[in-house]
Amino acid sequence: AQSVSQHNHHVILSEAASLELGCNYSYGGTVNLFWYVQYPGQHLQLLLKYFSGDPLVKGIKGFEAEFIKSKFSFNLRKPSVQWSDTAEYFCAVNARWDDKIIFGKGTRLHILP
Amino acid sequence: EAQVTQNPRYLITVTGKKLTVTCSQNMNHEYMSWYRQDPGLGLRQIYYSMNVEVTDKGDVPEGYKVSRKEKRNFPLILESPSPNQTSLYFCASSFTRGGRPGELFFGEGSRLTVL
Repeated sequence: AQSVSQHNHHVILSEAASLELGCNYSYGGTVNLFWYVQYPGQHLQLLLKYFSGDPLVKGIKGFEAEFIKSKFSFNLRKPSVQWSDTAEYFCAVNARWDDKIIFGKGTRLHILP
Repeated sequence: EAQVTQNPRYLITVTGKKLTVTCSQNMNHEYMSWYRQDPGLGLRQIYYSMNVEVTDKGDVPEGYKVSRKEKRNFPLILESPSPNQTSLYFCASSFTRGGRPGELFFGEGSRLTVL
């Protein structure tokens, strides 16, 4: 079965540190890729998305992600995190031959002030 | 304001008492979906709908029903709730791109407890 793996379940960083959260998927073929963020007590919001074109995607709040097709990866990055980035981050994948959107299990990010 | 509205936001019920969680979107989205969120398991798709009268199972459909009689509404029905359905439920919707779902817009969530 298709799956989405997020390797880091819980990440703790200090403010101004750089961030990279891993996401790998097991689909073959063409995919649409997403990162969502869930701030404490809130619903999920889109951070960024990839459908085609430049594999380096820029999103909101200084986040970016790189699609590496050969590695089936879509890692999320931010050069300098802030306390307000404390949240749970979800990677999601839609294979273009399918109607489902599958989410990873999420990574809880805690930023120390 | 563009939004996805779920009701109720919080509900405590007892085993076997049928309940419906409503979901409505005002963005004219074709695609709608229900997810449940459980600690350590992330979001798992229950059912989804590509358009009116078109619904299909996600990864965890057991114990749930849905219907899509109108484009804006996508209710989730628990005919006989059980304690293992205690969870946080999210409704989401999106436009379709090339016949496939795009970025999802989520509702605020409905926290359900089944005793």
